Amino acid sequence: GEDVEQSLFLSVREGDSSVINCTYTDSSSTYLYWYKQEPGAGLQLLTYIFSNMDMKQDQRLTVLLNKKDKHLSLRIADTQTGDSAIYFCAETGVTDSWGKLQFGAGTQVVVTP
Amino acid sequence: DGGITQSPKYLFRKEGQNVTLSCEQNLNHDAMYWYRQDPGQGLRLIYYSQIVNDFQKGDIAEGYSVSREKKESFPLTVTSAQKNPTAFYLCASSAAGGYNQPQHFGDGTRLSIL
Repeated sequence: GEDVEQSLFLSVREGDSSVINCTYTDSSSTYLYWYKQEPGAGLQLLTYIFSNMDMKQDQRLTVLLNKKDKHLSLRIADTQTGDSAIYFCAETGVTDSWGKLQFGAGTQVVVTP
Repeated sequence: DGGITQSPKYLFRKEGQNVTLSCEQNLNHDAMYWYRQDPGQGLRLIYYSQIVNDFQKGDIAEGYSVSREKKESFPLTVTSAQKNPTAFYLCASSAAGGYNQPQHFGDGTRLSIL
């Protein structure tokens, strides 16, 4: 089946940039998503990218997609303490026409002062 | 404000008991989903529904049941057949069931065993 993998933990200093990486195996992946989960809360949709794009920027967030290597990254510029959370990468493809999301295990981001 | 409301926030189940988790949305979305989250793991799909009066099993449907009698509501029942129900349950919805429709999530219900 399809797999989505992420590193489990990232520590970053306040004000620095964070880069969270994700790899996936499904070559038919069409949309790739980034969600943020704060403690005890649900998932907040941060951004998503269509597979015919290489990059998408939205304020402090930059998503990069390398389709050849099946690698997705999320860069957070000027990381703040409020960015401390778990970040999930998820993908969906045309093989699942109804929109099934395949999630990674999540990356815990800790921002230190 | 439009959104997805899950209740209760915390729920406790006794041995042999069925419990029902509520999920209501006022986004006018057609599709709704239930996920289970265990510590250190991604989300796993329990059930999904693309339209009213229709639903499909996800990857881990055993021990769970759902109904979709109204567009805005998709309750999940955790039955006594689910032997390991302790988890964080998340409900989501999307405008339609399709790969180009992002899913939006509620704030979750944490279920524990008494």
